[in-house]
Amino acid sequence: EVQLVESGGGLVQPGGSLRLSCVVSGLTFSGYEMIWVRQAPGRGLEWVSYITGSGTTVYYAESVKGRFTISRDDAKNSLYLQMNSLRGDDTAIYYCAREGTSYFLDYWGQGALVTVSS
Amino acid sequence: EIVLTQSPATLSLSPGERATLSCRASQTVTSYLAWYQHKPGQAPRLLIYDASNRATGIPARFSGSGSGTDFTLTISSLEPEDFAFYYCQQRYNWPPTFGQGTRLEIK
Repeated sequence: EVQLVESGGGLVQPGGSLRLSCVVSGLTFSGYEMIWVRQAPGRGLEWVSYITGSGTTVYYAESVKGRFTISRDDAKNSLYLQMNSLRGDDTAIYYCAREGTSYFLDYWGQGALVTVSS
Repeated sequence: EIVLTQSPATLSLSPGERATLSCRASQTVTSYLAWYQHKPGQAPRLLIYDASNRATGIPARFSGSGSGTDFTLTISSLEPEDFAFYYCQQRYNWPPTFGQGTRLEIK
């Protein structure tokens, strides 16, 4: 069974930090590009961060650049998102997804809720 | 950044009816466009990639068409489980972008 399971979400104060994890099972993780996508309340989907299959190249949306860091551990089939200096507009459900050979997101997790509030 | 505009924002139909959802790009994306289905509390699901190819396991009632800047997702005969949000996404240009979504609701 294919599973992408996010964890690490929660309530954090503005300026705080969280680290999201995404553990992948039932499909090939190593060598595939991975992405974090978020959905703020009442909004659509927004790409946040991207990491290549080798892990050597990463990209960030302008809204999170300098505050978020994406990484991966192929030995653990895991993807991470370190989120620092969190702001209220970072409140969202965060999804991890695999970019398949078609360059589109063929498998997604069910999401982790991050709430930034005092 | 390529902007994807989906219409309508909300589509109200009954089971058995045909649904037609539109996605328009601010500049060409050739055929690098996908459609996803998303139900609240669930993982989004890839339906269509490269504008017209059904993803693995997707029923034949879902079809995609278009190229360049205008794309359509058609659901030929709505099943109860099809009522959800639908998003288009382009992968032609960096960064990847999504449309704002169409809510398909039961009439």
